[in-house]
Amino acid sequence: NAGVMQNPRHLVRRRGQEARLRCSPMKGHSHVYWYRQLPEEGLKFMVYLQKENIIDESGMPKERFSAEFPKEGPSILRIQQVVRGDSAAYFCASSPPRSETQYFGPGTRLLVL
Amino acid sequence: AQKITQTQPGMFVQEKEAVTLDCTYDTSDQSYGLFWYKQPSSGEMIFLIYQGSYDEQNATEGRYSLNFQKARKSANLVISASQLGDSAMYFCAMGGINDYKLSFGAGTTVTVRA
Repeated sequence: NAGVMQNPRHLVRRRGQEARLRCSPMKGHSHVYWYRQLPEEGLKFMVYLQKENIIDESGMPKERFSAEFPKEGPSILRIQQVVRGDSAAYFCASSPPRSETQYFGPGTRLLVL
Repeated sequence: AQKITQTQPGMFVQEKEAVTLDCTYDTSDQSYGLFWYKQPSSGEMIFLIYQGSYDEQNATEGRYSLNFQKARKSANLVISASQLGDSAMYFCAMGGINDYKLSFGAGTTVTVRA
């Protein structure tokens, strides 16, 4: 059973470009979570999704950030018009229904030049 | 609101010795879960151990055990017989039973010396 997959592992963007981060949950997991880790800090919750539904996006910045988890395909975290402050590691986690434990992917390291 | 505090930014431990990583938490939830994750230098987040607030016994997973003291709101991780591969950052996290968001502490860096 493959773990949570994220790609790309590393992403470099120039200011003003768009960044698309992908996450495929573990098989049988229908819940996806996105977290952001700034250097030397713990992870901060961004958004929680189930298939075709955003359940909680209270941790998402109000502008430029969006997330989706379509019926088919991976979950996507999209950052428009990136700025240097968006540079961070973005982690996706998944869990099966009615489980507290979240399993994390390897993360995507975003660097904005 | 939930808050996790890890007061030890870094620790050194001799190989084969045990090490305890401190974690205290604050929550108004009656039911919650406590987690520990390991983040090696390669960057991935590895789930180690889980403790539910109503579990009467302390959780154990191999060389990892969680010293859960509910009244003191602490959930310390004990790593026994440290190995060089245990060198990593360790994060304590918590989530309400009905609250999927995990709140993380700032982490503790463990360096195991040969």
